[in-house]
Amino acid sequence: EAGVAQSPRYKIIEKRQSVAFWCNPISGHATLYWYQQILGQGPKLLIQFQNNGVVDDSQLPKDRFSAERLKGVDSTLKIQPAKLEDSAVYLCASSLESASNYEQYFGPGTRLTVT
Amino acid sequence: GDSVTQMEGPVTLSEEAFLTINCTYTATGYPSLFWYVQYPGEGLQLLLKATKADDKGSNKGFEATYRKETTSFHLEKGSVQVSDSAVYFCALNTGGFKTIFGAGTRLFVKA
Repeated sequence: EAGVAQSPRYKIIEKRQSVAFWCNPISGHATLYWYQQILGQGPKLLIQFQNNGVVDDSQLPKDRFSAERLKGVDSTLKIQPAKLEDSAVYLCASSLESASNYEQYFGPGTRLTVT
Repeated sequence: GDSVTQMEGPVTLSEEAFLTINCTYTATGYPSLFWYVQYPGEGLQLLLKATKADDKGSNKGFEATYRKETTSFHLEKGSVQVSDSAVYFCALNTGGFKTIFGAGTRLFVKA
């Protein structure tokens, strides 16, 4: 089966610019996650969708980050305006359901550099 | 709050050496525990998991045992290969929606 697809793979922007990332999960997976992975740290959950509804966005900086999952399939994550501290790898993952025993499948990530 | 602490890297080993990567956790309730691996240029992949105390997860020669009394889930492999060079992440989920990851341990295996 096809894995989780993400684009772009790399992005360089200046601070205060905006940027958007796209994710297409594995077909049939109801749950979609966006993580932020800062260099040297583990992934930190930004937002989790169950179908097209948000189930956890407690760590999403809502003043600058937004995400949507229209029609319960692919998703976009946007940053506007970007700050230097947003430089990180943004990982998308999906799973069949949201229960803890369901494996999460990760995409290759988008490496964002804010200058 | 819930947290995962794993040994700092990098860990450098020669091929066929024994590997241990320590992981301890703090959690309310009874978490499921995971090890994920990230090969260069790729996304994270689930390596193994354990869902209750004393369970042993295993895959590709790697093992980890869920030790509730020591709140640990150490990763071991008897004989590492160059192809095992990667970053290894310990993680937990307490049955809620959030998976908490450790900071990762980078492993280098020399031929």
